[in-house]
Amino acid sequence: EPEVTQTPSHQVTQMGQEVILRCVPISNHLYFYWYRQILGQKVEFLVSFYNNEISEKSEIFDDQFSVERPDGSNFTLKIRSTKLEDSAMYFCASGDWGADTQYFGPGTRLTVL
Amino acid sequence: AQTVTQSQPEMSVQEAETVTLSCTYDTSESNYYLFWYKQPPSRQMILVIRQEAYKQQNATENRFSVNFQKAAKSFSLKISDSQLGDTAMYFCAFMNTNTGNQFYFGTGTSLTVIP
Repeated sequence: EPEVTQTPSHQVTQMGQEVILRCVPISNHLYFYWYRQILGQKVEFLVSFYNNEISEKSEIFDDQFSVERPDGSNFTLKIRSTKLEDSAMYFCASGDWGADTQYFGPGTRLTVL
Repeated sequence: AQTVTQSQPEMSVQEAETVTLSCTYDTSESNYYLFWYKQPPSRQMILVIRQEAYKQQNATENRFSVNFQKAAKSFSLKISDSQLGDTAMYFCAFMNTNTGNQFYFGTGTSLTVIP
């Protein structure tokens, strides 16, 4: 069964550094999403992406964040200058043409020191 | 704004018994989707079950079923014949296609299945 994959599984970085989190959505899906989950808290929406552009973004998704689909398979989340409060689990999700269900990847645990 | 409330932070159930997890939501929309996701210790989010709001029939997936009460804005999950592998965090989620298909999650219910 097709799955969403994410790399790396765990990323440790110093405050102020740039990180890129990578996702490979399910191949025939058209909608892509990033969510984050701070430890012990609920999952929060960051951004949705369709037709090579951002369709929605939350207040969390400020200028420090960007997303890109550099080729036909990858979907990336970049954090330009990480802060301590960016430490969280980041989930990528994708949805097919109907966009009525989202399938989540296993997540990347980001630790900012 | 959409909000999802899970009022049970923790629950436990004996193996092979039945347990119901509660979820309520608030929306002014009439057409939307509701989901239950399971997050085991590995922290991967796994889709358990999905319900379209325009369907009156409650969704079922093997041992998992929902009780969807649209007027009451309630969406509970029933797990029958609980298994040890059901131990996980369970998140209720709401999606409205008018808001970019973003999910709104509840705070989760930690379920422990006791052998």
